[in-house]
Formats: sequence, C-alpha cells, structure tokens
Amino acid sequence: QSALTQPASVSGSPGQSITISCTGTSSDVGSYNLVSWYQQHPGKAPKLMIYEGSKRPSGVSNRFSGSKSGNTASLTISGLQAEDEADYYCCSYAGSSTFHVVFGGGTKLTVL
Amino acid sequence: QVQLQESGPGLVKPSQTLSLTCTVSGGSISSGSYYWSWIRQPAGKGLEWIGRIYTSGSTNYNPSLKSRVTISVDTSKNQFSLKLSSVTAADTAVYYCARAPLATYYFDYWGQGTLVTVSS
Repeated sequence: QSALTQPASVSGSPGQSITISCTGTSSDVGSYNLVSWYQQHPGKAPKLMIYEGSKRPSGVSNRFSGSKSGNTASLTISGLQAEDEADYYCCSYAGSSTFHVVFGGGTKLTVL
Repeated sequence: QVQLQESGPGLVKPSQTLSLTCTVSGGSISSGSYYWSWIRQPAGKGLEWIGRIYTSGSTNYNPSLKSRVTISVDTSKNQFSLKLSSVTAADTAVYYCARAPLATYYFDYWGQGTLVTVSS
C-alpha cells in the first residue's frame, strides 16, 4: 500500500482559511470514512486533530474540520492563528486481508 | 491521563536488532479497550506505521516490515515492546509508541518519541 498524497506545503495569513488535501485510492480513503489528521510541531509528537473523517476530539478547536469527496480527504483550518503553523499528516485505514494503516507524506503549514 | 514513554538504545549497529519498550502509565494496558502501536518517522520525512498489538498478544504488522518485526506485550509491567531485526541506515528514525481505541483506526495518545540511529 502506497502512502497517501499530500501537498508539500500550504500557507495562509492570520484569520484566513486553508485546506490541506489527502489523496488516496478506492482501496483506502475512497472506501472508508476512516481518515484521521495529526498536527505535529517541530520536535514534538503528533497530536490527533480529526478522526473518522470529520470528528474532533475533546479539546480540539472547532476551527479544524474534516471532509471527504471520493478518494480525497481534506482538512480545513479556519481563522488561521500563528500557533497553527506545523506539519499536518493524514492517515487512513488501508483495508486489506489484514489490518493496515497508511499515512500521507505530510504538509507544512506556514502562517504568513 | 494516560502517558506513553519509549525507552531503549539510541544507537544500533547495522545488521543487529533494534529493541524498544513503551511504558504505559495512567491506565492499564490490560483494559482490553485499546490496541498499542509502533510508528516511526525518519528525519524530515513522514510517518510510517510499523505494527500493533492487543492485550491478548494478537498482532498486525506493516506488510513492508513484517519479516523483520516482532511486537510483544508484558501486562505485568504495563509495557509493550518492538524488535526490528537486520537493521540498516534506512531504519534510522524517531520511533513513537501510540494508542488506538478498539475498533478504530486512529491514534489518540502518543509517546514523545525516541531517536534510534543505525550506524557502526
């Protein structure tokens, strides 16, 4: 199973909205609403931001939202703040004869 | 609040076996409500799921690493462990342990990560 495809970088100004895409195949993203998104600041462990496509864990700002269309999942961050600057990774159940998950290559978000 | 902490040698020689342990605190690994995974990240690169284990000892591994990976659990110590054999420089990475709620496919708690360098 190949890694999911994410843009290497995105940027936006404070207060704006940005969207990060995560493209898979009909075998992973397209077949299941099981995409999760993680935020990672430099030198830190990833933090769960979105699970099962669009659900937010307790404590995560409602400025973060997730969606899916076909084989592509998306993470939208509205009202950009300086602290949102980080790397973001998507992850999907890959669904096969045995359990397997795949991650995207990561997207660097720069808040201008 | 559950916490996970990785531990193990930071330097491993090529062709040897990498061994790491994840100690879980603030919750019992035996609760039966979670899967326990290992995930790694080479410097400047993305995340790669290595494998997972359930309290019973049942495991799943990344097909690309399956031949070299063994994950085990020690419920008496509230720990689970990773062994990766025949390592090369390509296995140099930060290794994370993480928890996934049962019947889900996301990781809600992560350890801080530990850097393992493969070098002679």
